[in-house]
Amino acid sequence: SAVISQKPSRDICQRGTSLTIQCQVDSQVTMMFWYRQQPGQSLTLIATANQGSEATYESGFVIDKFPISRPNLTFSTLTVSNMSPEDSSIYLCSVEGLGTSGDHEQYFGPGTRLTVT
Amino acid sequence: GQQVMQIPQYQHVQEGEDFTTYCNSSTTLSNIQWYKQRPGGHPVFLIQLVKSGEVKKQKRLTFQFGEAKKNSSLHITATQTTDVGTYFCAGNNFNKFYFGSGTKLNVKP
Repeated sequence: SAVISQKPSRDICQRGTSLTIQCQVDSQVTMMFWYRQQPGQSLTLIATANQGSEATYESGFVIDKFPISRPNLTFSTLTVSNMSPEDSSIYLCSVEGLGTSGDHEQYFGPGTRLTVT
Repeated sequence: GQQVMQIPQYQHVQEGEDFTTYCNSSTTLSNIQWYKQRPGGHPVFLIQLVKSGEVKKQKRLTFQFGEAKKNSSLHITATQTTDVGTYFCAGNNFNKFYFGSGTKLNVKP
């Protein structure tokens, strides 16, 4: 299993500013994922962050808006740039690991609740 | 692009009744996973299905993977109030997980 922490847990930001969200894992992992979840909605994959290479973004998400860093195997950051109220959401990081059942599970961080005013 | 649809969106049941949520993918999946998210919490892994036609059970929960590996279902027998939450399927293609829209389950005592 993996234990994931995220900082900040929540923030209220003004439009036009940027926020960097940190994700720390208690073990080394190859792939880290960043998701967005609007209240009451499903999780949307933003990008996959691999150590040593550029992040791979999903359709509708671009690096200029959501730059990602992955400096080592236990840490990643996601920046939400030039924020607008539409960016208000919960941002979650996750990693894939091997569970006790032998299945490859995704472990999620507690999330960062972002409100843009 | 990859799409994973889930029905129903909401389900309200009386405690003791059964519950089923269905998941359909637009493409064939490598595997499918199911997660439960309690209100205010983050998704928690329940199970992974890999083989065509696979069926797995966890106590009152039964998970099925379709023969074509494009659909799946989660069935809960005799629901309890502790089953309340949103259940998501997540289809895996090329090591990326695409989450279904989720089914929010409410159980009345």
